[in-house]
Amino acid sequence: GAVVSQHPSRVICKSGTSVKIECRSLDFQATTMFWYRQFPKQSLMLMATSNEGSKATYEQGVEKDKFLINHASLTLSTLTVTSAHPEDSSFYICSARAQDGSYEQYFGPGTRLTVT
Amino acid sequence: GDSVTQMEGPVTLSEEAFLTINCTYTATGYPSLFWYVQYPGEGLQLLLKATKADDKGSNKGFEATYRKETTSFHLEKGSVQVSDSAVYFCALSEKGGSEKLVFGKGTKLTVNP
Repeated sequence: GAVVSQHPSRVICKSGTSVKIECRSLDFQATTMFWYRQFPKQSLMLMATSNEGSKATYEQGVEKDKFLINHASLTLSTLTVTSAHPEDSSFYICSARAQDGSYEQYFGPGTRLTVT
Repeated sequence: GDSVTQMEGPVTLSEEAFLTINCTYTATGYPSLFWYVQYPGEGLQLLLKATKADDKGSNKGFEATYRKETTSFHLEKGSVQVSDSAVYFCALSEKGGSEKLVFGKGTKLTVNP
């Protein structure tokens, strides 16, 4: 149980286009999901906290107009990278928080974004 | 702000060797501490956790003890296996895991037969 999927696993896009990444909790409901970004040989950096039915909370330094987050249901959150540039190339990882009282976060396998 | 520092990798060991991956933290409050493992091609999985000082987390032969006096949470395993090859992340959370996680940079472990 407690499986989180991400789609796509890899995406290549041209500079100036937008890319949507989906994060799904497959066998549990998650009112809260988190989006992380991981640079090579760096730790995971939290970008934003996504709450179902409300606006996401962004970490300091993260542009909310560039990284649009939508959490329209208890099993799906999306991250849209708008007007992507090469510096947005990175590994994006989501997690979903269990509602069973443990508050454990379950992580997706990540999405590799390359902007050319 | 809160931060986690863990030992730089990569670490390469032979099967049945003893493993230690050091982790120290800086936090303003009393965080919960975690070790996550990421196997190739998979998402991060919680390996073990400790929520208060002197707690020992353990799982799959791995152990880590929450040491408040040294602000450390070192990961150990007495005899590693090839299947333990993965990237290990130390992390903290200020509110028992319900809030955001702060991660270390990760340590890649390779175990050779």
